[in-house]
Amino acid sequence: GAGVSQSPSNKVTEKGKDVELRCDPISGHTALYWYRQRLGQGLEFLIYFQGNSAPDKSGLPSDRFSAERTGESVSTLTIQRTQQEDSAVYLCASSLWGPGYEQYFGPGTRLTVT
Amino acid sequence: GQQVMQIPQYQHVQEGEDFTTYCNSSTTLSNIQWYKQRPGGHPVFLIQLVKSGEVKKQKRLTFQFGEAKKNSSLHITATQTTDVGTYFCAGRGATGTASKLTFGTGTRLQVTL
Repeated sequence: GAGVSQSPSNKVTEKGKDVELRCDPISGHTALYWYRQRLGQGLEFLIYFQGNSAPDKSGLPSDRFSAERTGESVSTLTIQRTQQEDSAVYLCASSLWGPGYEQYFGPGTRLTVT
Repeated sequence: GQQVMQIPQYQHVQEGEDFTTYCNSSTTLSNIQWYKQRPGGHPVFLIQLVKSGEVKKQKRLTFQFGEAKKNSSLHITATQTTDVGTYFCAGRGATGTASKLTFGTGTRLQVTL
């Protein structure tokens, strides 16, 4: 079946502009995660959605970052007033809910802020 | 909050040499997962360990979960160039937000002929 998809694959934007990144999880996966990965660095947790529960936003670096998820489907990550330090690959992952399930990652969106 | 550290950050080996990465959590884990990220790719799940002291093998890869469930290791025997990439451990806390994985800092492995 289809894996996790993300769009766009690449995004170049000017400093100060808003961007919206999209994630389509695997059908039936109730858990969805967003991560940020700067070049050569590890995975930085941003936000976690699980079903209809309140999302865990503890990783969002500032109020310029927000994310939404419609039910158990598509999620969008919005970055307002982008800054150069926002340049990174943004990865989305989904999983079945529960402690024993692995995460399936999308290919990521490479964001470059000029 | 929970922190998961990995050492070393980077290792460069000659093909055929062994490699080990160590993962240490600040809190007790309910389980631990390992992922591999090839250069330019995204993390891909390798394995999950659940029981204290558990050891699992996948061909040349051996994964171990510590007795106290706060650390883990991945050992690769006789590395090959196909092993190149970054290896991440990811742990779930034993209490609290059970489903949220915390990823380790990663170990980047470079293998040369």
